[in-house]
Amino acid sequence: EVQLLESGGGLIQPGGSLRLSCAASGFTFNNYAMSWVRRAPGKGLEWVSGIVGSGTRTFNADSVKGRFTISRDNSKETLHLQMNSLRSEDTAIYYCARGMGQERFVELDYWGQGTLVTVSS
Amino acid sequence: QSVLTQPPSVSAAPGQKVTISCSGSSSNIGNNYVSWFQQLPGTAPKLLIYENNKRPSGIPDRFSGFKSGTSATLGITGLQTGDEADYYCGTWDGSHMVFGGGTKLTVL
Repeated sequence: EVQLLESGGGLIQPGGSLRLSCAASGFTFNNYAMSWVRRAPGKGLEWVSGIVGSGTRTFNADSVKGRFTISRDNSKETLHLQMNSLRSEDTAIYYCARGMGQERFVELDYWGQGTLVTVSS
Repeated sequence: QSVLTQPPSVSAAPGQKVTISCSGSSSNIGNNYVSWFQQLPGTAPKLLIYENNKRPSGIPDRFSGFKSGTSATLGITGLQTGDEADYYCGTWDGSHMVFGGGTKLTVL
């Protein structure tokens, strides 16, 4: 059974940093691209970052470029999102999601339960 | 403001059919596959449709997808109260994935 379990969310002050993790199980992790998607309170889904299965290429939304870094450790089947220079508008539930193939970011077929990040002083 | 435009809300009675539109451009829908997602209150999103019109295993055939040019449509027939949720289209745009603004479905 495919499982994705996020961790690392919490309350952080503006300008601070946080690292989210997503532990994957039930599938061959390095065969699939992975993404982070968020939903801010009262708003819709926003794709944040994606990384191909091999980890050699990453993609980011304009809203997080230069501040967030996605990475993966295929030996530990874990996805990460390093978030720096956090702003109040980054407050959201962050989901990790699996793509349907090595470089698939639109077909997100499995999702974690999400972890809440609150940026506030 | 999303580059993919969806109606903010749609409604219909149980048993009826509803369609949700998703309008984009040649840089996104026009040249890429479209997916549709359902997000029930308090839960993670779920993939309903991928590659414009394919259903993952376990998704009933009450859900269908269609794409033409720079627009896509999600259709839901035989509406149930359990279908009340937010629905999102998604596609690739240049160097990143984009979602539509979302459509809240109310089953009256």
